[in-house]
Amino acid sequence: SQTIHQWPATLVQPVGSPLSLECTVEGTSNPNLYWYRQAAGRGLQLLFYSVGIGQISSEVPQNLSASRPQDRQFILSSKKLLLSDSGFYLCAWSILAGADTQYFGPGTRLTVL
Amino acid sequence: AQKITQTQPGMFVQEKEAVTLDCTYDTSDPSYGLFWYKQPSSGEMIFLIYQGSYDQQNATEGRYSLNFQKARKSANLVISASQLGDSAMYFCAMRPNDYKLSFGAGTTVTVRA
Repeated sequence: SQTIHQWPATLVQPVGSPLSLECTVEGTSNPNLYWYRQAAGRGLQLLFYSVGIGQISSEVPQNLSASRPQDRQFILSSKKLLLSDSGFYLCAWSILAGADTQYFGPGTRLTVL
Repeated sequence: AQKITQTQPGMFVQEKEAVTLDCTYDTSDPSYGLFWYKQPSSGEMIFLIYQGSYDQQNATEGRYSLNFQKARKSANLVISASQLGDSAMYFCAMRPNDYKLSFGAGTTVTVRA
């Protein structure tokens, strides 16, 4: 069966510091991968998605970036965090077949102080 | 742009009773998918149920059913025989004919004993 991992689970970072969040998927090949952000009490906002290694599409212009160095690894980064980057970051995967349902990881709660 | 509307910010339901969560959507794509997710306080997004726009029958998954009214562009979730563990935030989402999943603002459900 497929599983998706995210780490760290929680992170507190000062403004201006770098960021690296990691997401890995097991049990499937060539998944579509997604990064979402959820502000407190709000819905999810799609940040990036990837259909293959090195292929990244950005949905929202911001100081975040994403990379996919391996088939089942998706990384969210920032060179300098802003206060507005605080939130709950969720990674998801899907297979482009049938319903193409997206399955989410446990998330990373980021607080920028 | 796709739009998902969930008009009920919060709902209370008595244990063992049914509850209906409203969702309306707006899209010009003839082919699309509708999804419901559950987000408990832990934060993980749990996939509940899927309805394709061309599906003739309403989707059901255990105690979850989706009341799909295509002409009205509505996709309400019905939870039957509510349990205390159903207390969570519920999100309606739509994926038109691409990878992008758009989410509503969510409805918080509280099940009372």
